[in-house]
Amino acid sequence: GAVVSQHPSRVICKSGTSVKIECRSLDFQATTMFWYRQFPKQSLMLMATSNEGSKATYEQGVEKDKFLINHASLTLSTLTVTSAHPEDSSFYICSAISSPSYNEQFFGPGTRLTVL
Amino acid sequence: QKEVEQNSGPLSVPEGAIASLNCTYSDRVSQSFFWYRQYSGKSPELIMSIYSNGDKEDGRFTAQLNKASQYVSLLIRDSQPSDSATYLCAVIFNQGGKLIFGQGTELSVKP
Repeated sequence: GAVVSQHPSRVICKSGTSVKIECRSLDFQATTMFWYRQFPKQSLMLMATSNEGSKATYEQGVEKDKFLINHASLTLSTLTVTSAHPEDSSFYICSAISSPSYNEQFFGPGTRLTVL
Repeated sequence: QKEVEQNSGPLSVPEGAIASLNCTYSDRVSQSFFWYRQYSGKSPELIMSIYSNGDKEDGRFTAQLNKASQYVSLLIRDSQPSDSATYLCAVIFNQGGKLIFGQGTELSVKP
């Protein structure tokens, strides 16, 4: 199956700093990538949908100025958490699809963010 | 509001038994349904996808879809302790669109 990687797998940062998380499709071109957030004991919540070369579409309640998403190529999307606060500590997971007509999403391994 | 509902569990079954996981969804026009397994601290992995009414079998796993009742289920035969995980039901409501997850059912298989 298709492989999606994320980097870093784990990051600890101080409150007020910014953190960048990379999501890469390793063996296919991803027309669309999705970013999810998962708090402990909760399900995945979609944050935004990212299409290559265009602005991301954010879900209701997700601050686009705080969670900056860039999808500069067909294999790379980045999520930057700006001015991170402890409440941003969570498990961030990306996924990718190779075609709008193909529904299966391939998930990355996730990034555990801890903000002190 | 498009929703996907699951019993949060935990569901406990003895080793070798059949585990039955259930999911309902709110939008009658939904076309694509998925079951994911998530181990603690890991990202979801796809177990089954199902798109048409009826049963779909893959090894020990069987997905069942009933669009009239807006219901999808996952059966795990001969449950193993390694099956202990959270099982997430997910639905795509629009073609090529967003995957909406249920809250997940925690399954515990006791040796």
